[in-house]
Amino acid sequence: LQLQGSGPGLVKPSETLSLTCNVSGGSIDSTSAYWGWFRQPPGKGLEWVGSVRYSGTAFHDPSLKSRATVSIDTSSNQFSLTLVSVTAADTAVYYCARQIQLQGSPTFYYMDVWATGTTVTVSS
Amino acid sequence: DIQMTQSPSSLSASVGDRVTITCRASRGISNFLNWYQQKPGRAPSLLIYAASTLQSGVPSRFSGSGSGTDFTLTISSLQPEDFATYICQQSYSTLLTFGGGTRVEI
Repeated sequence: LQLQGSGPGLVKPSETLSLTCNVSGGSIDSTSAYWGWFRQPPGKGLEWVGSVRYSGTAFHDPSLKSRATVSIDTSSNQFSLTLVSVTAADTAVYYCARQIQLQGSPTFYYMDVWATGTTVTVSS
Repeated sequence: DIQMTQSPSSLSASVGDRVTITCRASRGISNFLNWYQQKPGRAPSLLIYAASTLQSGVPSRFSGSGSGTDFTLTISSLQPEDFATYICQQSYSTLLTFGGGTRVEI
């Protein structure tokens, strides 16, 4: 299984960031996985942005105040992140990853496959 | 949010050294703890999940332990390719959180 993220490297303040993650070598409609977006601001630690399941059920970091939406397109084997009203604080390397369910545990998921990051800079 | 605190934030070690990194959760998370390795300019890579289970393909010199709030990652004999940043992450809450990372330097 491989993931590949794509999207613009530069976004203007107040505009919308859209990133897509393409899944190859496996099906995105697995019942034992979530698909997540993470980010890492320059020189800082990893942050979870949001995750989506094959059914479309999604969870997002509340600190983003509803600016983030993670969605899935099973027909294209892709999932996406939309982040509206971006500011310089959204400048980061964005990663997509598979969150696989631990066998025997309905609530334990861990990230076992990551894409190479997409660098996003918010600047006018 | 569950806060994850790692210590130390960085350490210097030599090839062959035994290295121990700790991670503390702000509240009990059972064994819902994972460890990742990240090298500069690269995506994180899974080392250990469920506190102590080694991911397939990861060398046996890596081991993890702990439960509740206190966890440990140990590298039994540091190799040149192990110089990297190590990051813990909790999966107990839907709101996933990461530790700040421990940079292992020569």
